[in-house]
Amino acid sequence: DAGVTQSPTHLIKTRGQQVTLRCSPISGHKSVSWYQQVLGQGPQFIFQYYEKEERGRGNFPDRFSARQFPNYSSELNVNALLLGDSALYLCASSSGNEQYFGPGTRLTVT
Amino acid sequence: GESVGLHLPTLSVQEGDNSIINCAYSNSASDYFIWYKQESGKGPQFIIDIRSNMDKRQGQRVTVLLNKTVKHLSLQIAATQPGDSAVYFCAENEYYGQNFVFGPGTRLSVLP
Repeated sequence: DAGVTQSPTHLIKTRGQQVTLRCSPISGHKSVSWYQQVLGQGPQFIFQYYEKEERGRGNFPDRFSARQFPNYSSELNVNALLLGDSALYLCASSSGNEQYFGPGTRLTVT
Repeated sequence: GESVGLHLPTLSVQEGDNSIINCAYSNSASDYFIWYKQESGKGPQFIIDIRSNMDKRQGQRVTVLLNKTVKHLSLQIAATQPGDSAVYFCAENEYYGQNFVFGPGTRLSVLP
C-alpha cells in the first residue's frame, strides 16, 4: 500500500514568489496535517484538515493557507515567500489518532 | 541528503547495547504520545505510541515508558543496530486534538 505522498520533493523559489505544495494521504485517511520543519528542530504544526474543513491552525502568518479536496488530498500555499520559509514541509495523514508522515518537500527560498 | 538536527543532543551507543532516549513534555492535558524516527532527508517514521491510561507499551525491540507524574516519556531500543541511527522525536497530543507538539529531538549514533 502507498504511504503518504508529497510533491515536489525539492523546490527552489525566490523571495516574494508563491509556492504550492501537494499531498496525497494514505488511502482511507480523511485527515491531513501540514508541518514545517526547520533544520535542527522538530516539526511545527501549520494546519489540520478533516473532511475538507480546517480543524486547526498553528502560529503561522496569513501568508500560509491550505485546502483539502473531495479525494482528501491537500495543498499548502505560501505567498510572498521569505528566506525564513526555507524548510522541510511535511504532510501527515491520520485515521483516528495515529499520524503518518510523508517524505516532505524541501523548499529553499533564495 | 541533508542532515536533520545538526546541533541536537546526541546519544552514542555501541552496536548491540540497549539505548534509552528521554523526552520531557509540557502539556499536562496531553494524553496520547508517539515516538518518531527521522533519518536524514526523510519524513518522520512512526515507531510506537502510548495512551495516558498506560505506563508501558512494547513493540518489536522497542519499549515506551510514560510517567505522567513528572511528564516524562522514554523510548528504549533493545540490541541497537546501525540502522537505528537517526534523530528520534517524541510528540504529544490531546486525544483527538488538532495537532501534535514535537520535542526537540535526540540524535542516536550507533558505534560499530
